[in-house]
Amino acid sequence: QVQLVQSGAEVKKPGASVKVSCKASGYTFIKYGITWVRQAPGQGLEWMGWISGYNGNTNYAQKFQGRVTMTTDTSTTTVYMELRSLRFDDSAVYFCARGGGYMDHWGQGTLVSVAS
Amino acid sequence: ETVLTQSPGTLSLSPGERATLSCRASQSLSSSQLAWYQQKSGQAPRLLIYGASSRATGIPDRFSGSGSGTDFTLTISRLEPEDFAVYFCQQYGNSPRAFGQGTKVEIK
Repeated sequence: QVQLVQSGAEVKKPGASVKVSCKASGYTFIKYGITWVRQAPGQGLEWMGWISGYNGNTNYAQKFQGRVTMTTDTSTTTVYMELRSLRFDDSAVYFCARGGGYMDHWGQGTLVSVAS
Repeated sequence: ETVLTQSPGTLSLSPGERATLSCRASQSLSSSQLAWYQQKSGQAPRLLIYGASSRATGIPDRFSGSGSGTDFTLTISRLEPEDFAVYFCQQYGNSPRAFGQGTKVEIK
């Protein structure tokens, strides 16, 4: 069965970077892209960007351009999302999800807390 | 950039009642590229509907989607206790992808 398993919760200071991983299994990795979505406490869903599982092409939301990098490791079928220059309002649950259009399988989410 | 506006913000209904949720796009979505998700507290979203009206695998037939262009609807024909949750629409016809702000369906 399709599974996306994300890395554990992180606590970071303002200005630091965080790298969240998403291990995919149960399907042919290169056939699907992975989308990253975040959700601040009590808020809605925010699309951050997408990476192709086939060739690593990316499409980032303009809001995160220059601060986010998404990468893939096809040998381990793992996708990474790094967010730099963290601010307090980056505190959120970060989800990876399969698909570049609609997302049919989701990871469990990774809580990133930015605190001094 | 396509903005999605969902209404109402909160829907208070009783089990067994019909729920009708609306999602309006700021520009027309080609090929009805709109999806609906259900999210329960502390959980990841779950895909319900894609292509505006196609049910995802394993989704009960009490969930249905309709609409095209800029106006879309998610209908839950008879609410079950497990359906009380937050529902988001999402467009994937344009970049950047975007979500609506959500509709909470709560027990009356």
